[in-house]
Amino acid sequence: DAGVTQSPTHLIKTRGQHVTLRCSPISGHKSVSWYQQVLGQGPQFIFQYYEKEERGRGNFPDRFSARQFPNYSSELNVNALLLGDSALYLCASSLDPDQPQHFGDGTRLSIL
Amino acid sequence: GEDVEQSLFLSVREGDSSVINCTYTDSSSTYLYWYKQEPGAGLQLLTYIFSNMDMKQDQRLTVLLNKKDKHLSLRIADTQTGDSAIYFCAESAGATNKLIFGTGTLLAVQP
Repeated sequence: DAGVTQSPTHLIKTRGQHVTLRCSPISGHKSVSWYQQVLGQGPQFIFQYYEKEERGRGNFPDRFSARQFPNYSSELNVNALLLGDSALYLCASSLDPDQPQHFGDGTRLSIL
Repeated sequence: GEDVEQSLFLSVREGDSSVINCTYTDSSSTYLYWYKQEPGAGLQLLTYIFSNMDMKQDQRLTVLLNKKDKHLSLRIADTQTGDSAIYFCAESAGATNKLIFGTGTLLAVQP
């Protein structure tokens, strides 16, 4: 069975641009969460979606937004990119929010 | 507040046991997790323990949970060079069970 898949794997943008990152959960998983991992640190929670509704949001500015589609895939959007947004963006899925989360390999975003 | 702490580095010889320690703050966590991250990769779920358990064993991995001291440990028996990676401890927190991660422990296995 396929795990969590994320696209693209790598992305280079310049300051001020916007970006859309995509995630397909494990088949049957209805909850998707997004995390940001800056080099040398543990991942930080950005959003959680379950059954297409936002259930939680971490301490990130409004430039960050996300949504979940009827097939439970998800997009993370970041506007007005800053140098500090350079990070590995990880998507995790679970059957529901109470179950263990499984991660994809992430999208590495570099801002020039 | 929510906080997870881990030691930064552990070096062991191949064949020895490794023990990685973690402390957490949220006593209401439902699950506590151990994830493994190899260079350039995402997080691999190694094992997890439900908060009402004291111990869980899964092949070479043993997880010990001390709820009173909010202490979690991961023991890897017969450590191999392929076990070299960063290991993250995480607690589930809040109504969303979002994961709160430590800074990770770099495990270096010497042949």
